[in-house]
Amino acid sequence: GAVVSQHPSWVICKSGTSVKIECRSLDFQATTMFWYRQFPKQSLMLMATSNEGSKATYEQGVEKDKFLINHASLTLSTLTVTSAHPEDSSFYICSARGLDRPNQPQHFGDGTRLSIL
Amino acid sequence: QQPVQSPQAVILREGEDAVINCSSSKALYSVHWYRQKHGEAPVFLMILLKGGEQKGHEKISASFNEKKQQSSLYLTASQLSYSGTYFCGTEGENRDDKIIFGKGTRLHILP
Repeated sequence: GAVVSQHPSWVICKSGTSVKIECRSLDFQATTMFWYRQFPKQSLMLMATSNEGSKATYEQGVEKDKFLINHASLTLSTLTVTSAHPEDSSFYICSARGLDRPNQPQHFGDGTRLSIL
Repeated sequence: QQPVQSPQAVILREGEDAVINCSSSKALYSVHWYRQKHGEAPVFLMILLKGGEQKGHEKISASFNEKKQQSSLYLTASQLSYSGTYFCGTEGENRDDKIIFGKGTRLHILP
């Protein structure tokens, strides 16, 4: 089945550090990738939709200067949390969708647990 | 708009059945069902497309009533492995590629 790889799995860093998270589709071309944030026992909140070769579309309330998204190729999207602070600590999950849409699910990466000290 | 899931939580004994509902206030193109175990990423269960589909996957099946913008997930003869949080995700008729997830239904299966 389709595989999405997300790296790193865990990040612990000091306040003020910028953190980059990678999301790769390993065996299919992902025209669209999505970035979600999930707090404990809560739902997956869509942060932004990333299309290859174009600017990401951010959801209302998500700071685009804080969460930089780059979708450089059909298999790679990155999320950079700039100048991270403790309130940015969360579980970040990416997902990817293939070229043939109607019956294609989103395939999720394993997530990145970000802890800012 | 975020779809509404019900119930919020269910506790069952192994072998019992459960139904999880998902409803939306907007016209839908598709409904997606996922299961997430604690500390893990969501795992895809099934997609239902506009057209009133009903799909099955072993003892887990789902239906989509596009007139009511509702979907239901049916878990029959539940197994311990079914425990987790179930999320429905909805995609609007405008097909903007966005899937918005409900708040989830926590399912706990007792032996």
